[in-house]
Amino acid sequence: KAGVTQTPRYLIKTRGQQVTLSCSPISGHRSVSWYQQTPGQGLQFLFEYFSETQRNKGNFPGRFSGRQFSNSRSEMNVSTLELGDSALYLCASSGGTTNEQFFGPGTRLTVL
Amino acid sequence: QKEVEQDPGPLSVPEGAIVSLNCTYSNSAFQYFMWYRQYSRKGPELLMYTYSSGNKEDGRFTAQVDKSSKYISLFIRDSQPSDSATYLCAMSEAGGSYIPTFGRGTSLIVHP
Repeated sequence: KAGVTQTPRYLIKTRGQQVTLSCSPISGHRSVSWYQQTPGQGLQFLFEYFSETQRNKGNFPGRFSGRQFSNSRSEMNVSTLELGDSALYLCASSGGTTNEQFFGPGTRLTVL
Repeated sequence: QKEVEQDPGPLSVPEGAIVSLNCTYSNSAFQYFMWYRQYSRKGPELLMYTYSSGNKEDGRFTAQVDKSSKYISLFIRDSQPSDSATYLCAMSEAGGSYIPTFGRGTSLIVHP
């Protein structure tokens, strides 16, 4: 089975711009979660989508949003980028009979 | 107090040593316990997944959960330089939202 894939792997943006990141979960997995990872804060939960609906949400401002499509692929969007948004953004999928989460390689976003 | 506490290290050991990595937690509702390994600039990789208390062994890795002490451990036997990575513990509640809460990770360096 193919693992979780994320595109693009690297992004460089400037303050004020917006960005869209994409995640394809493991085939058959219906839950997709997004995390932000920084050296200072560690791994922080952004939101989770299940069957095209946001099921859980972390404590991030409304500039961070996401969606999920009928094929379970998910996108997250960050608008009005700030320098502090520079991070590794990780997507994880889960499904089947357990709630184990499987992570993708991440998208490294740098905001200049 | 954070819900999950994990010493960031770094922990430096010689090749062949037995490594002990630990996390403590405060939420007694946690039932699922996971260990992830993350190499530099990569996504976390699920190593061990356990439910409730007890031990689980997989090759050189042993996961131990002591719910009475709210303490989990990961032991690595015969450590190798390729084990050098950051190890993240994670835990979640049973039922409802099972979004895991992550520790900050412990950096492990195994030197030849």
